[in-house]
Amino acid sequence: NAGVTQTPKFRILKIGQSMTLQCTQDMNHNYMYWYRQDPGMGLKLIYYSVGAGITDKGEVPNGYNVSRSTTEDFPLRLELAAPSQTSVYFCASTLGVNEKLFFGSGTQLSVL
Amino acid sequence: AQSVAQPEDQVNVAEGNPLTVKCTYSVSGNPYLFWYVQYPNRGLQFLLKYITGDNLVKGSYGFEAEFNKSQTSFHLKKPSALVSDSALYFCAVSPWGTGFQKLVFGTGTRLLVSP
Repeated sequence: NAGVTQTPKFRILKIGQSMTLQCTQDMNHNYMYWYRQDPGMGLKLIYYSVGAGITDKGEVPNGYNVSRSTTEDFPLRLELAAPSQTSVYFCASTLGVNEKLFFGSGTQLSVL
Repeated sequence: AQSVAQPEDQVNVAEGNPLTVKCTYSVSGNPYLFWYVQYPNRGLQFLLKYITGDNLVKGSYGFEAEFNKSQTSFHLKKPSALVSDSALYFCAVSPWGTGFQKLVFGTGTRLLVSP
């Protein structure tokens, strides 16, 4: 039982490049979330999904896109990377409303 | 809108001493409250949650938290600190029944336990 798996762990992008952060979970959770964590700040919600085919914006969605074609996978897409997107990104999943969140180990992204 | 305050950036405590990490919150209606811990280069791990019922909640690794509605606080406690407890601790709150799309995290408190 791997839990929530994120790839890659580290990535350096040039301004204007694109990339996809992968997230997969093997717990059959319907609810999945993408957060970003900046130094000295709490986690901010980027996008979330309540099930396959259903996604919605969180607090800081600008510059990102998501898709949810299967229950297991919830990739996060950065189309035109900007320095402001330098952050640590966490994917999380949960079984139901207000159950505990399971987090991946994170992706550290630098945009230079 | 809901908010969480963790007034201390860092808490220092000697091993074997009791520890407290403070959290106050603001939310419309009843709160769901959570504590998570983050070890270096790892994702957050769930410690405990308050939904309803007993104001003293027991969680993982010997941690507990006390819900105080009148003071809108949810302080994390442990009777005897271990060096291995050194980590970053996050308090989080969401309005009752809204799911994690309304979950707000505090800025985190770094706990440093010295031998």
